[in-house]
Amino acid sequence: SQQGEEDPQALSIQEGENATMNCSYKTSINNLQWYRQNSGRGLVHLILIRSNEREKHSGRLRVTLDTSKKSSSLLITASRAADTASYFCATIGSSNTGKLIFGQGTTLQVKP
Amino acid sequence: NAGVMQNPRHLVRRRGQEARLRCSPMKGHSHVYWYRQLPEEGLKFMVYLQKENIIDESGMPKERFSAEFPKEGPSILRIQQVVRGDSAAYFCASSPTGTVNEKLFFGSGTQLSVL
Repeated sequence: SQQGEEDPQALSIQEGENATMNCSYKTSINNLQWYRQNSGRGLVHLILIRSNEREKHSGRLRVTLDTSKKSSSLLITASRAADTASYFCATIGSSNTGKLIFGQGTTLQVKP
Repeated sequence: NAGVMQNPRHLVRRRGQEARLRCSPMKGHSHVYWYRQLPEEGLKFMVYLQKENIIDESGMPKERFSAEFPKEGPSILRIQQVVRGDSAAYFCASSPTGTVNEKLFFGSGTQLSVL
């Protein structure tokens, strides 16, 4: 079964604006990861945040994790048209393996 | 250093035929994961394999689906007697050791269309 839900399902913004996507999950986790998928392509890893971390940055990406609320957010600052893609959060559960469980994803459209 | 290679990229089958999807993990990776994605949906876990072993097949349908990862050669996802509901994109991912804080590297997927 899917681990959680993402919100919003779709987001449309203008180039230069910030985009925020949220992810909720159900069970305890070891870490949470964000992936990006361009149309018709495989997923590309963006960032990993461990369960004992609260915030992490990578370039224009900022990820937060609130384990008490079982939620995470991905912020993309100063968006570009090339950021148009689907974004998925994924969690490693308590199985102690690398098996990832993905959310439904947020489709982001950045208009030039 | 080639990435995860999946073939074929597109596969068309008629109902009742067999589909064989191949995945070659990244060099040095011995852990392979298969996922299925329906249009406008996220990826659903199917099976996790290590060389010659199935570690977790909790997402595999009980019938018609099987997977293997032999000592030599690619991982194979096999779907027997395909039905229209099997039409989807199938993605393979690999990782070096299968531990919990590793990222997965994904292939470009195989789009299966069942006529």
